[in-house]
Amino acid sequence: QVQLQESGPGLVKPSETLSLTCTVSGGSISGYYWSWIRQPPGKGLEWIGYIYYSGSINYNPSLKSRVTMSVDTSKNQFSLRLNSVTAADTAVYYCARVKPPGSSGYCDYWGQGTLVTVSS
Amino acid sequence: DIQMTQSPSSVSASVGDRVTVTCRASQGVGTWLAWYQQKPGMAPKLLVYAASSLQSGVPSRFSGSGSGTDFTLTISSLQPEDFATYYCQQANIFPGTFGGGTKVEIK
Repeated sequence: QVQLQESGPGLVKPSETLSLTCTVSGGSISGYYWSWIRQPPGKGLEWIGYIYYSGSINYNPSLKSRVTMSVDTSKNQFSLRLNSVTAADTAVYYCARVKPPGSSGYCDYWGQGTLVTVSS
Repeated sequence: DIQMTQSPSSVSASVGDRVTVTCRASQGVGTWLAWYQQKPGMAPKLLVYAASSLQSGVPSRFSGSGSGTDFTLTISSLQPEDFATYYCQQANIFPGTFGGGTKVEIK
Protein backbone atom coordinates (compact mmCIF):
# COMPACT_ATOMS: atom_id res chain seq x y z
CA GLN A 1 0.00 0.00 0.00
CA VAL A 2 1.49 3.28 -1.15
CA GLN A 3 1.74 5.91 1.57
CA LEU A 4 2.75 9.55 1.29
CA GLN A 5 3.88 11.87 4.07
CA GLU A 6 4.42 15.62 3.81
CA SER A 7 7.05 17.31 5.95
CA GLY A 8 8.25 20.87 6.39
CA PRO A 9 7.77 24.04 8.44
CA GLY A 10 4.23 24.85 9.51
CA LEU A 11 4.92 28.58 9.70
CA VAL A 12 6.53 30.74 7.05
CA LYS A 13 7.04 34.49 7.10
CA PRO A 14 5.62 36.70 4.33
CA SER A 15 7.97 37.12 1.36
CA GLU A 16 9.94 34.03 2.33
CA THR A 17 10.00 30.58 0.72
CA LEU A 18 7.73 27.68 1.60
CA SER A 19 9.51 24.32 1.34
CA LEU A 20 7.86 20.93 1.66
CA THR A 21 8.97 17.37 1.03
CA CYS A 22 6.82 14.34 0.34
CA THR A 23 8.21 10.93 1.23
CA VAL A 24 6.74 7.95 -0.58
CA SER A 25 6.71 4.56 1.12
CA GLY A 26 5.26 1.18 0.23
CA GLY A 27 6.17 1.63 -3.41
CA SER A 28 8.64 3.20 -5.78
CA ILE A 29 8.51 6.78 -6.93
CA SER A 30 9.75 5.62 -10.31
CA GLY A 31 7.31 5.27 -13.15
CA TYR A 32 4.70 7.67 -11.81
CA TYR A 33 3.67 11.30 -11.83
CA TRP A 34 3.46 13.04 -8.47
CA SER A 35 1.54 16.17 -7.58
CA TRP A 36 1.08 18.95 -5.07
CA ILE A 37 -2.41 20.24 -4.32
CA ARG A 38 -3.41 22.82 -1.74
CA GLN A 39 -6.58 23.79 0.11
CA PRO A 40 -6.95 27.11 1.95
CA PRO A 41 -8.82 26.71 5.26
CA GLY A 42 -12.52 26.20 4.61
CA LYS A 43 -12.08 26.49 0.84
CA GLY A 44 -11.69 24.33 -2.23
CA LEU A 45 -8.80 22.51 -3.83
CA GLU A 46 -6.14 23.95 -6.15
CA TRP A 47 -3.67 21.90 -8.18
CA ILE A 48 -0.18 23.39 -7.88
CA GLY A 49 1.60 21.13 -10.33
CA TYR A 50 2.96 17.70 -11.01
CA ILE A 51 6.36 16.13 -11.64
CA TYR A 52 7.36 12.88 -13.31
CA TYR A 53 9.96 10.69 -11.59
CA SER A 54 12.37 11.52 -14.40
CA GLY A 55 11.97 15.24 -13.70
CA SER A 56 9.55 16.55 -16.33
CA ILE A 57 7.22 19.09 -14.78
CA ASN A 58 3.94 20.91 -15.31
CA TYR A 59 3.05 23.89 -13.14
CA ASN A 60 -0.27 25.67 -12.68
CA PRO A 61 0.13 28.87 -14.75
CA SER A 62 -1.28 30.92 -11.88
CA LEU A 63 1.67 29.90 -9.67
CA LYS A 64 4.33 29.11 -12.26
CA SER A 65 6.47 32.17 -11.57
CA ARG A 66 6.86 31.21 -7.89
CA VAL A 67 6.92 27.40 -7.90
CA THR A 68 9.74 24.89 -8.16
CA MET A 69 9.31 21.12 -7.90
CA SER A 70 12.02 18.50 -7.77
CA VAL A 71 12.35 14.76 -7.29
CA ASP A 72 14.96 12.59 -5.57
CA THR A 73 14.50 8.99 -6.63
CA SER A 74 17.30 7.78 -4.34
CA LYS A 75 15.27 8.94 -1.34
CA ASN A 76 11.85 8.21 -2.83
CA GLN A 77 10.95 11.85 -2.25
CA PHE A 78 9.70 14.83 -4.18
CA SER A 79 9.64 18.44 -3.09
CA LEU A 80 7.85 21.76 -3.47
CA ARG A 81 9.24 25.26 -3.12
CA LEU A 82 6.97 28.30 -3.31
CA ASN A 83 8.70 31.66 -3.03
CA SER A 84 7.52 35.16 -2.14
CA VAL A 85 4.65 33.79 -0.08
CA THR A 86 1.77 35.90 1.23
CA ALA A 87 -1.15 35.21 3.53
CA ALA A 88 -3.06 33.95 0.47
CA ASP A 89 -0.69 30.97 0.38
CA THR A 90 -1.87 29.78 3.80
CA ALA A 91 -3.34 26.36 3.15
CA VAL A 92 -3.19 22.65 3.80
CA TYR A 93 -0.69 21.29 1.29
CA TYR A 94 -1.19 17.76 0.02
CA CYS A 95 1.13 15.57 -1.96
CA ALA A 96 -0.50 12.91 -4.08
CA ARG A 97 0.18 10.29 -6.72
CA VAL A 98 -1.31 10.76 -10.15
CA LYS A 99 -3.28 7.65 -11.05
CA PRO A 100 -1.64 5.76 -13.88
CA PRO A 101 -1.49 5.37 -16.78
CA GLY A 102 0.63 8.42 -17.42
CA SER A 103 -0.54 11.81 -16.22
CA SER A 104 -4.23 10.89 -16.08
CA GLY A 105 -5.05 13.92 -13.99
CA TYR A 106 -6.64 11.91 -11.20
CA CYS A 107 -5.00 11.46 -7.78
CA ASP A 108 -5.39 8.04 -6.20
CA TYR A 109 -3.05 8.19 -3.19
CA TRP A 110 -2.78 11.24 -0.97
CA GLY A 111 -0.70 12.33 1.99
CA GLN A 112 -2.51 13.41 5.13
CA GLY A 113 -1.76 17.05 4.36
CA THR A 114 0.22 19.65 6.25
CA LEU A 115 -1.01 23.09 7.24
CA VAL A 116 1.33 25.89 6.29
CA THR A 117 0.53 29.29 7.74
CA VAL A 118 2.07 32.45 6.33
CA SER A 119 2.41 34.99 9.09
CA SER A 120 5.01 37.22 10.64
CA ASP B 1 -8.93 27.50 -16.63
CA ILE B 2 -12.05 25.38 -16.90
CA GLN B 3 -14.56 26.35 -14.23
CA MET B 4 -16.41 23.57 -12.41
CA THR B 5 -19.73 24.39 -10.76
CA GLN B 6 -21.37 22.00 -8.32
CA SER B 7 -24.94 21.96 -7.09
CA PRO B 8 -26.28 21.97 -4.54
CA SER B 9 -23.62 23.42 -2.25
CA SER B 10 -25.12 21.40 0.57
CA VAL B 11 -27.80 18.77 0.99
CA SER B 12 -29.45 17.31 4.07
CA ALA B 13 -30.33 13.66 3.82
CA SER B 14 -31.13 10.64 5.93
CA VAL B 15 -29.51 7.23 6.06
CA GLY B 16 -30.92 5.16 3.22
CA ASP B 17 -31.74 8.15 1.01
CA ARG B 18 -30.68 8.41 -2.61
CA VAL B 19 -28.48 11.46 -3.07
CA THR B 20 -27.49 13.10 -6.34
CA VAL B 21 -24.79 15.74 -6.79
CA THR B 22 -24.37 17.63 -10.04
CA CYS B 23 -21.26 19.14 -11.60
CA ARG B 24 -21.14 21.38 -14.67
CA ALA B 25 -18.00 22.32 -16.60
CA SER B 26 -17.58 25.70 -18.31
CA GLN B 27 -16.48 23.85 -21.45
CA GLY B 28 -16.57 20.25 -22.59
CA VAL B 29 -14.19 17.87 -20.82
CA GLY B 30 -15.26 14.62 -22.49
CA THR B 31 -15.31 12.02 -19.73
CA TRP B 32 -12.22 13.40 -18.01
CA LEU B 33 -14.01 13.87 -14.72
CA ALA B 34 -13.39 12.60 -11.20
CA TRP B 35 -15.31 12.65 -7.94
CA TYR B 36 -13.64 12.82 -4.53
CA GLN B 37 -14.96 12.45 -0.99
CA GLN B 38 -13.41 14.49 1.80
CA LYS B 39 -14.11 14.17 5.50
CA PRO B 40 -13.10 16.88 8.01
CA GLY B 41 -9.37 16.95 8.67
CA MET B 42 -8.66 14.30 6.07
CA ALA B 43 -7.31 14.18 2.52
CA PRO B 44 -9.69 13.76 -0.40
CA LYS B 45 -10.39 10.19 -1.48
CA LEU B 46 -10.83 9.27 -5.14
CA LEU B 47 -14.27 7.67 -5.69
CA VAL B 48 -14.90 7.83 -9.43
CA TYR B 49 -12.65 8.61 -12.40
CA ALA B 50 -13.25 8.85 -16.12
CA ALA B 51 -16.76 10.02 -15.23
CA SER B 52 -18.15 6.58 -14.42
CA SER B 53 -15.33 4.22 -13.42
CA LEU B 54 -15.39 3.22 -9.77
CA GLN B 55 -12.03 3.41 -8.02
CA SER B 56 -10.90 0.10 -6.50
CA GLY B 57 -12.35 -0.48 -3.03
CA VAL B 58 -15.16 2.07 -3.36
CA PRO B 59 -18.61 0.68 -2.50
CA SER B 60 -20.96 0.06 -5.41
CA ARG B 61 -23.58 2.41 -3.96
CA PHE B 62 -21.50 5.19 -5.50
CA SER B 63 -21.88 5.79 -9.22
CA GLY B 64 -20.96 8.49 -11.69
CA SER B 65 -22.38 9.45 -15.05
CA GLY B 66 -22.21 12.14 -17.69
CA SER B 67 -20.00 13.49 -20.42
CA GLY B 68 -19.15 16.80 -22.03
CA THR B 69 -20.24 19.48 -19.56
CA ASP B 70 -22.76 17.79 -17.26
CA PHE B 71 -21.96 15.12 -14.70
CA THR B 72 -23.66 13.41 -11.77
CA LEU B 73 -22.52 11.54 -8.69
CA THR B 74 -25.20 9.33 -7.15
CA ILE B 75 -25.17 7.60 -3.78
CA SER B 76 -27.92 5.01 -4.06
CA SER B 77 -28.46 4.42 -0.34
CA LEU B 78 -26.71 6.86 1.96
CA GLN B 79 -24.73 5.28 4.79
CA PRO B 80 -23.53 6.96 8.02
CA GLU B 81 -19.93 6.99 6.75
CA ASP B 82 -20.96 8.89 3.60
CA PHE B 83 -21.58 12.19 5.36
CA ALA B 84 -18.78 14.29 3.90
CA THR B 85 -17.99 16.89 1.27
CA TYR B 86 -17.83 15.78 -2.35
CA TYR B 87 -15.77 17.46 -5.06
CA CYS B 88 -15.74 17.04 -8.80
CA GLN B 89 -12.53 17.64 -10.77
CA GLN B 90 -11.93 17.91 -14.48
CA ALA B 91 -8.79 16.26 -15.81
CA ASN B 92 -9.16 17.18 -19.48
CA ILE B 93 -6.91 20.24 -19.41
CA PHE B 94 -4.14 20.94 -16.90
CA PRO B 95 -4.48 22.27 -14.25
CA GLY B 96 -7.22 19.94 -13.20
CA THR B 97 -9.74 22.26 -11.62
CA PHE B 98 -12.11 21.34 -8.83
CA GLY B 99 -15.68 22.25 -8.10
CA GLY B 100 -16.58 24.18 -4.97
CA GLY B 101 -17.82 21.10 -3.15
CA THR B 102 -21.15 19.68 -1.98
CA LYS B 103 -21.56 18.99 1.70
CA VAL B 104 -23.80 16.04 2.50
CA GLU B 105 -25.20 16.56 5.97
CA ILE B 106 -27.34 14.51 8.31
CA LYS B 107 -31.01 15.40 8.22
